[in-house]
Parts: sequence; C-alpha cells; structure tokens
Amino acid sequence: GENVEQHPSTLSVQEGDSAVIKCTYSDSASNYFPWYKQELGKRPQLIIDIRSNVGEKKDQRIAVTLNKTAKHFSLHITETQPEDSAVYFCAASEAGGSYIPTFGRGTSLIVHP
Amino acid sequence: DSGVTQTPKHLITATGQRVTLRCSPRSGDLSVYWYQQSLDQGLQFLIQYYNGEERAKGNILERFSAQQFPDLHSELNLSSLELGDSALYFCASSVGFEGGAGVGEQYFGPGTRLTVT
Repeated sequence: GENVEQHPSTLSVQEGDSAVIKCTYSDSASNYFPWYKQELGKRPQLIIDIRSNVGEKKDQRIAVTLNKTAKHFSLHITETQPEDSAVYFCAASEAGGSYIPTFGRGTSLIVHP
Repeated sequence: DSGVTQTPKHLITATGQRVTLRCSPRSGDLSVYWYQQSLDQGLQFLIQYYNGEERAKGNILERFSAQQFPDLHSELNLSSLELGDSALYFCASSVGFEGGAGVGEQYFGPGTRLTVT
C-alpha cells in the first residue's frame, strides 16, 4: 500500500517568513495530492491540491509543487501570518473513483508575531 | 463551514457499550468517507460509501460498521467499545465520481469526539 512521509513534524517561523513542508510517497500510481490545514480542535480543511498532470499550482500565498519522478511534493507558504499557525497534512491518493488518501503524520506550523 | 454535518459533537460512554455517529454530506455529494483521528495514529481511513454502496475499506475493526442510507446520510456504528477507541471521528464527503467537478476533493465535517471511560 501507499506510504507517505512528511517533514518536518514541527516548523517554527517568524511572521513574514516563508515555510516549506515536504512529503514523499511510495506508490507511483498515486496521482492526486491534497493538502489539509487543521486548527486545534477543528476539522481538516482542504487548502490546495495538485494532480499529476501539473508540476506546480499556486493560490495567493500558498503553492504546491510535485515531482513525480522523485515521488515528492511540497507545500510553500509565503509571507506567513499568525493565523497560518495550524497542523498541515499532506496526502496521496489514486484516481479511479475512490480517491482514498493516505495521510502524512502532519506538520505543526507555528508562526511567531 | 464545509456543508458536512456530524452529530453528536461529543460522546462519553463506558467500555463495552455501543454508539452511533451520524453524518450528512454536502448537497450533491454521493461519497462519504469515515476517518479516525487519534494522537498516536494520525488520520486513519476507515470506510467509504458511494451512493449507498460500500466502496472501500481501510483499517476498520470488525466491531465497527457503517452504512449509507437512500438520502445519502451515513452512520458509523461502534460496538464493544474499548478505551483505545477514544478518538475524533470525522466524516468527509466528495462528489465521488470521475468527471465530476472537483473529483477527489474531500470536505470534512466538524467531527465527533468519542471518549470511552
């Protein structure tokens, strides 16, 4: 089955800095890679996703890159703000109707004002 | 607000008991997924239903079962509860079929926090 590794487990930055979270996956059949943000005690929220037919996707201060050859994908947050503080999960899944995601263990991002 | 609702928000029960968690998907979504989130195991996929039929199973214990009804709401039944079943249980919904807009995107409900004492 799929295995997703996520690093780092904790990331502490100053407001205004950039943050990068990296994930690797094992199953070359995976072709859909969502990222979720989860604030303490709240639901995971889909913030951005990428499909294997593109290498990069951007939405305002958030971008995701995918390298299918190396089987890794990354989340980039620029100009971080205190409200970006949360746990971020990457996931990998295969198309074909089910899209069952395998999640990474999460990265706790702390943005200091 | 994701449009996915879950009840109850909190549940406290004793070992050996049985509980039912309920989930209503976003309007138009045919697929429902159930997840368990605990501190040491992260987010674990349990089971998926699509338009009333079981589609995929993950690490779901035999003591757990689920179903999706004709109105597309879903219930997760947990029986013979153990202390280790204490966790946050999320459901998520998605369009669920290839070709649908946003296929693969899952929207999570607020979760049910289960505490087994």
